[in-house]
Amino acid sequence: EDKVVQSPLSLVVHEGDTVTLNCSYEVTNFRSLLWYKQEKKAPTFLFMLTSSGIEKKSGRLSSILDKKELSSILNITATQTGDSAIYLCAVESNFGNEKLTFGTGTRLTIIP
Amino acid sequence: NAGVTQTPKFQVLKTGQSMTLQCAQDMNHEYMSWYRQDPGMGLRLIHYSVGAGITDQGEVPNGYNVSRSTTEDFPLRLLSAAPSQTSVYFCASSPVLVWEEQYFGPGTRLTVT
Repeated sequence: EDKVVQSPLSLVVHEGDTVTLNCSYEVTNFRSLLWYKQEKKAPTFLFMLTSSGIEKKSGRLSSILDKKELSSILNITATQTGDSAIYLCAVESNFGNEKLTFGTGTRLTIIP
Repeated sequence: NAGVTQTPKFQVLKTGQSMTLQCAQDMNHEYMSWYRQDPGMGLRLIHYSVGAGITDQGEVPNGYNVSRSTTEDFPLRLLSAAPSQTSVYFCASSPVLVWEEQYFGPGTRLTVT
């Protein structure tokens, strides 16, 4: 059974701080790892990482895939209150089934 | 474009009642799925479909039925509601295996008393 574990479960930091969120996985035949941001409602897509694309960056957010350690990190620099959200990690296995397995998420709170 | 729409936004049911959560998308996506989100549990896949007439079970399918008669619609039926089905339900759609183009609906908050 595929498994995705995120840490920490929650994190509270001050505006301007840098944060690192972790995602580790155990899946059969890894295919891709995705990061989502969930504010009050639906998750929205941030990044997808694959064997051929192990590092992604968008503004203050960046993510790296470590296939050896079976993990990924999501970094947010110079945090703002608008970064407060639940960050979800999901993994796709290349095992003939078309589905994602999600982690429990990290709840990030930014204090002004 | 409306994207992915879900109705209702909120629902309260009594134990044993049945109901259907509606999901529709206007992006001509072949892949549609239903997730439930509970505190501390992340998103768990209930059922999914890779096209009209094709459905399959996810991680937590018990107590739920789905059908996919059209590309646009993917309703989720609760056969006999139980308190354990109290949750927030999200519908999502994408082209098949193009996860970076997966869009989620706004969710339905269901309470079963």
